[in-house]
Order: sequence, then structure tokens, then C-alpha cells
Amino acid sequence: EPEVTQTPSHQVTQMGQEVILRCVPISNHLYFYWYRQILGQKVEFLVSFYNNEISEKSEIFDDQFSVERPDGSNFTLKIRSTKLEDSAMYFCASSESGVLTDTQYFGPGTRLTVL
Amino acid sequence: GNSVTQMEGPVTLSEEAFLTINCTYTATGYPSLFWYVQYPGEGLQLLLKATKADDKGSNKGFEATYRKETTSFHLEKGSVQVSDSAVYFCALSVENTGFQKLVFGTGTRLLVSP
Repeated sequence: EPEVTQTPSHQVTQMGQEVILRCVPISNHLYFYWYRQILGQKVEFLVSFYNNEISEKSEIFDDQFSVERPDGSNFTLKIRSTKLEDSAMYFCASSESGVLTDTQYFGPGTRLTVL
Repeated sequence: GNSVTQMEGPVTLSEEAFLTINCTYTATGYPSLFWYVQYPGEGLQLLLKATKADDKGSNKGFEATYRKETTSFHLEKGSVQVSDSAVYFCALSVENTGFQKLVFGTGTRLLVSP
């Protein structure tokens, strides 16, 4: 069964460093998403992406964050200058369409630890 | 605004017990509703969904009915197994800009003992 994959599974970085989290969505899906979950808190929407453009972003997704689909398979989340409060589990998801009733399929997550 | 409220965990049950995890929501518009499950060390997996009022989603013995009048989507299972131990997330789907996004509850941890 097709699945969303994410690398790395765990990333440790120093405050102020740049990190890139990578995702490979399901191959025939056109809509891509990033969510994050700070330990003990809710899973929160960060950004959605379609047709090489951001379609919606949350207030969390400030200028330090960017997303890119550099080729036909990868979808990346970049944090330009990490802060301690960026420590969280980051989930990538994809869906076939962006309609209300569609299912988003999630990857296993990347745990980001900022020291 | 849009939000999901789930019962606090952990929920601790013995094998073969009946499970209910409560979920209520507030939403602008007419959302779709989902239950996702996260097994230890894994990502979020869709468990079931319902897209309109009175729809019942079901999978692996779990069920939930979309109740518009009570804005609820409670998860139930008649007889839990140790392998059901996981964190369960209720979520709703909203479409603000023509594109879907999910709004999650805090998650409820289920622990099933033999």
C-alpha cells in the first residue's frame, strides 16, 4: 500500500541553525501539508501546498518557514533559523484532492529537537 | 472558530471491555469528521471518517456516528484488545480557502491490559 515517508526520523540541531525536513508524498497525490505537534499538545496545521504554491498557512508559519517541491517526488519544510520553541514532531501529509471529504495520509513524522 | 474537544486520557481498560472516547466539535460550515490513530513509534493513520450528518464510519470494530444535533463524533468499540493501545485523535476538516485542512483534538491515550 502506498505510504507517505519522511526523513530523518529524528533531527537534533542547535538554535539558529537551518533545518530541512523531507517528505515523499503518495505518488498520485496533488495536495501536500505540514503539521506539527509540540510534546503534549495538539497536532497543529502549518501549511498546505498545491500546484507549486502555498494555498493556506497558519499564523505559526512565519517568515522562518518555507516549503518547496524541488522535484517530482519530494516535499520539504525548511526552518531558516531554528528556535527552542520549534522543537516538535513534524508530520507531512498528502491527499488526492483538496476537498472537504478527502482523506489526508500522514507520514511517520520527524522529531525535531532544538538545543 | 473551528475546534475539537476530546476527553482527557489516559483511558485504561481491560481486554474485552467496551470503549467510548468522547469527541465534540465546533465548526463554521459543514465539516467532515475523522478519527486518526497513532500507534507507538508510528505516524497518524486514518481509522474512520464520516462526511455528513448521521453517517456512521467504521473500521476494525471501531465505530463513530456524525451527530450534527449534538456536534459529536464519539468513538466506540465493543471489545478492545491489547493491540488497540494507542493515541486516538478526533479531527474535523474545514475548507477556508478552497482547500482542506484538519483541525485536531488533543488526543486520547488508550491503554488496554490483558
